[in-house]
Amino acid sequence: DGGITQSPKYLFRKEGQNVTLSCEQNLNHDAMYWYRQDPGQGLRLIYYSQIVNDFQKGDIAEGYSVSREKKESFPLTVTSAQKNPTAFYLCASRLRRERGTGELFFGEGSRLTVL
Amino acid sequence: SQKIEQNSEALNIQEGKTATLTCNYTNYSPAYLQWYRQDPGRGPVFLLLIRENEKEKRKERLKVTFDTTLKQSLFHITASQPADSATYLCALDGAGGFKTIFGAGTRLFVKA
Repeated sequence: DGGITQSPKYLFRKEGQNVTLSCEQNLNHDAMYWYRQDPGQGLRLIYYSQIVNDFQKGDIAEGYSVSREKKESFPLTVTSAQKNPTAFYLCASRLRRERGTGELFFGEGSRLTVL
Repeated sequence: SQKIEQNSEALNIQEGKTATLTCNYTNYSPAYLQWYRQDPGRGPVFLLLIRENEKEKRKERLKVTFDTTLKQSLFHITASQPADSATYLCALDGAGGFKTIFGAGTRLFVKA
């Protein structure tokens, strides 16, 4: 079955450590996205990528980094520079606008807690 | 700055009634608007998309309206069921088509 897979589901980190969240999709989607969700708040865009080897900053990119070396994969690194990293992280993908309806497909999320 | 507003208070309704959720936006000219459902601890799931030149879209018990003059969308669930209890998110896409921005969502509780 096609889908989008995030791992790990739960992650604990000590302050000062970098962590990498995995996101893999087998939907043959062009675009991939990372969002952050805090309690009672909407999804805020961290980074997005329209094609391999290219990505753009979203609204809250500071303290995060990404790579897009393969179409299927878009890992997110939460660096020690991110001041408040405890949150629920969601990865999403979709076809390019001219090829699809614009619907976003989401993974099940990764919950990061900084101890 | 661009802003999407959804009712921050939870909506409580009785089973069988119609739930109506509101999404208002400012400083934005979306090419289309989407509604998603999110259950606790899960990723959002796409429900409906409506384009700027459409006034209404239906899918089974769901109906969405889009008024670009009022800068508002209404999301209706008819004959609501307890299984409809979830958070519903409104999302907008601009003409550029690359970024989707989300509202904070409205929590819906349907009582049996």
